Amino acid sequence: DTAVSQTPKYLVTQMGNDKSIKCEQNLGHDTMYWYKQDSKKFLKIMFSYNNKELIINETVPNRFSPKSPDKAHLNLHINSLELGDSAVYFCASSQPGGTLNEQFFGPGTRLTVL
Amino acid sequence: DAKTTQPPSMDCAEGRAANLPCNHSTISGNEYVYWYRQIHSQGPQYIIHGLKNNETNEMASLIITEDRKSSTLILPHATLRDTAVYYCIVRGLAGNMLTFGGGTRLMVKP
Repeated sequence: DTAVSQTPKYLVTQMGNDKSIKCEQNLGHDTMYWYKQDSKKFLKIMFSYNNKELIINETVPNRFSPKSPDKAHLNLHINSLELGDSAVYFCASSQPGGTLNEQFFGPGTRLTVL
Repeated sequence: DAKTTQPPSMDCAEGRAANLPCNHSTISGNEYVYWYRQIHSQGPQYIIHGLKNNETNEMASLIITEDRKSSTLILPHATLRDTAVYYCIVRGLAGNMLTFGGGTRLMVKP
């Protein structure tokens, strides 16, 4: 019954590799997000995406790209991984607009770049 | 979105009320106050939100001052499971993305 799921939970890889993190939501939401939480525990938005619009935080390197095969999935592709990409990545989803717009978060993927 | 200021940490005795303050002095008229929490190693979890009236749900109460420049999240009977980082976020209806600050690390002690 998991609302927002992510795979893998842990990912260890070498610098320079390309990797993907998958996210799926079964809530029927139209909007999905990716957040990054660094070692200092600050949570930062990376992307907001629905079937009409991709909003990118301007601080995100273009090595990061979200790809959505359908409304229930938003995968995160990372090219040429760097040491500084090590972090926990959270996927989230919500319905756009309205007064609530509660976001549901996945359990996170801990990425370690060696 | 307006910036928020929260104390970095607080302690609370188990069974007592936990009152977590948040300052948002630059909040504008159409911005809501949201509270999320993050229990260790988990994704953030929505708690409550409000515009200007006080709000209550099964998890917590939200008290917003009349000038809307500050608010308090109240956990009426804190349990050990409430130990988490609590984030106060101010956001307008137009935006979807949440901007998290440093939050308050609440430690509930037996």
